[in-house]
Amino acid sequence: ETGVTQSPTHLIKTRGQQVTLRCSSQSGHNTVSWYQQALGQGPQFIFQYYREEENGRGNFPPRFSGLQFPNYSSELNVNALELDDSALYLCASSQQGARETQYFGPGTRLLVL
Amino acid sequence: GENVEQHPSTLSVQEGDSAVIKCTYSDSASNYFPWYKQELGKRPQLIIDIRSNVGEKKDQRIAVTLNKTAKHFSLHITETQPEDSAVYFCAATSGSARQLTFGSGTQLTVLP
Repeated sequence: ETGVTQSPTHLIKTRGQQVTLRCSSQSGHNTVSWYQQALGQGPQFIFQYYREEENGRGNFPPRFSGLQFPNYSSELNVNALELDDSALYLCASSQQGARETQYFGPGTRLLVL
Repeated sequence: GENVEQHPSTLSVQEGDSAVIKCTYSDSASNYFPWYKQELGKRPQLIIDIRSNVGEKKDQRIAVTLNKTAKHFSLHITETQPEDSAVYFCAATSGSARQLTFGSGTQLTVLP
């Protein structure tokens, strides 16, 4: 198992609400990437954080936003939730010198009703 | 952007047989290709990776091959065991963030 942790494990929200998901990176890792995994599909890149700044972004609208803290942990915020936001949200941590070698957390399963 | 295609979507093999999963990618600038195993309800687990300066890499029963010219790479599992049953994802790096673009996954079932 990796040292990447995420909270909460499960979450149920209603359409239009806002949600915050949290991720703690593996020891020694300073880069966090977030992915959305819809049922039966591969993970899709949302964005990446390094040195508390967004370092790259996938094809997701601005209502998906994030933060990274000095201890390298990270948050994913989603505003104005839509039914299609229901998915498993995964964070992955890596070292800046090898950002592509990513280790995933267990994910947060979000259900939007 | 990068596009990764993976096949087959499902694969059933008898215990002890070999399994092969194939992926193609579109971005010639991609140079890192990991494979992840995801068991039901669990996190994707990195099982092997290969960089573009290498044609083949082995780790016990698992091997990955890369053909840069054809832009395809494959996962080979030998002497399959029931615990190999899972969904396997290939991926390729792209972009300034070195983000992973994943294939659609292969459900591997090893029949005892």
